Amino acid sequence: EAEVAQSPRYKITEKSQAVAFWCDPISGHATLYWYRQILGQGPELLVQFQDESVVDDSQLPKDRFSAERLKGVDSTLKIQPAELGDSAMYLCASSTDKETQYFGPGTRLLVL
Amino acid sequence: KQEVTQIPAALSVPEGENLVLNCSFTDSAIYNLQWFRQDPGKGLTSLLLIQSSQREQTSGRLNASLDKSSGRSTLYIAASQPGDSATYLCAVTGSARQLTFGSGTQLTVLP
Repeated sequence: EAEVAQSPRYKITEKSQAVAFWCDPISGHATLYWYRQILGQGPELLVQFQDESVVDDSQLPKDRFSAERLKGVDSTLKIQPAELGDSAMYLCASSTDKETQYFGPGTRLLVL
Repeated sequence: KQEVTQIPAALSVPEGENLVLNCSFTDSAIYNLQWFRQDPGKGLTSLLLIQSSQREQTSGRLNASLDKSSGRSTLYIAASQPGDSATYLCAVTGSARQLTFGSGTQLTVLP
């Protein structure tokens, strides 16, 4: 069964450093989502792509976060510079019909 | 702005017990409601999806109900097993087709 792939699975970095996360959605899924999940809370949407276009990035802290999906397939989420409060799980999801989102295993980020 | 609340935040039960997890949402104009399972340090697995026009969905030992007018949903787990231990998240899809999650209920089933 096809799955959403994410890498790395774990990342430890120092504050003020740059970090990047990668997501490969299920083949054929036009919609891609990035979520941030702080420990003990539910995921919150950061950015939504339809093909290569951003549909919603209203919750993305654009002073330090950026996201791209250049060819409408895989996607990269970058943080520069990282802050202590960015420590969280970063989840990627994809969907085709906008009803069922399939989630990847996530990238757990720890900022020291 | 849609808000989703889940009660209780944590629950511990002995194996074999039937249990109910609760979810409430503030805006009844939803497209659907989903229940997810999340194991520690892992991604989310969709368990059940209820369309706004439906009242309930069943999958094996799981049954989810939806009362859209009152803004409530319940997830019923029958004959709980230690393997059911996980965090259960409720999420609603609004008109923008975006998910709003609750904070989850952490379930522990004791052998």
